[in-house]
Amino acid sequence: KAGVTQTPRYLIKTRGQQVTLSCSPISGHRSVSWYQQTPGQGLQFLFEYFSETQRNKGNFPGRFSGRQFSNSRSEMNVSTLELGDSALYLCASARVVGETQYFGPGTRLLVL
Amino acid sequence: KQEVTQIPAALSVPEGENLVLNCSFTDSAIYNLQWFRQDPGKGLTSLLLIQSSQREQTSGRLNASLDKSSGRSTLYIAASQPGDSATYLCAILNTGFQKLVFGTGTRLLVSP
Repeated sequence: KAGVTQTPRYLIKTRGQQVTLSCSPISGHRSVSWYQQTPGQGLQFLFEYFSETQRNKGNFPGRFSGRQFSNSRSEMNVSTLELGDSALYLCASARVVGETQYFGPGTRLLVL
Repeated sequence: KQEVTQIPAALSVPEGENLVLNCSFTDSAIYNLQWFRQDPGKGLTSLLLIQSSQREQTSGRLNASLDKSSGRSTLYIAASQPGDSATYLCAILNTGFQKLVFGTGTRLLVSP
């Protein structure tokens, strides 16, 4: 069974640009969550989607948004990038919330 | 607000030692607790998940316990190996929420 995949794996952007990250969950998983990991703040929750609905959102500015498609694939978008957005962005999927969450390898974003 | 703390922040042991990693949380209204490992620059690998109603879970050389009343979980690693070197993270899924709250992690180094 294929694991969670994330694309791209690495990104370099400049301040002010926008970026879209993609996550394909494990087949059959309908819950997709996004997390940001930085050395200073650790792992912080961004948002969670289930059946195309955002059910929970973390404490991030509106520049961070996401969506989920009918096939459970998810994208997150960050607009007007800032230097502080440089981080490892991790996607996790689960059959339903409350069961084991499986993480993808992450997308490492560097904002210059 | 759930706060999760892991002690120690770093641990260095010789191969073959048994060791214990600690995780403390402030809100006992948890749904489950999950232990992960993270290798440098990589995503998270799920190790064990303990439901709120359970006291422990075992997988191979790993044993995780949960004591909700004291707000603590421990991860016991038996006969440590160099391949166990990684950062270990505990994460709490609170009742009523759809997000994991992560601890700060313990960086483990097992020397041959």
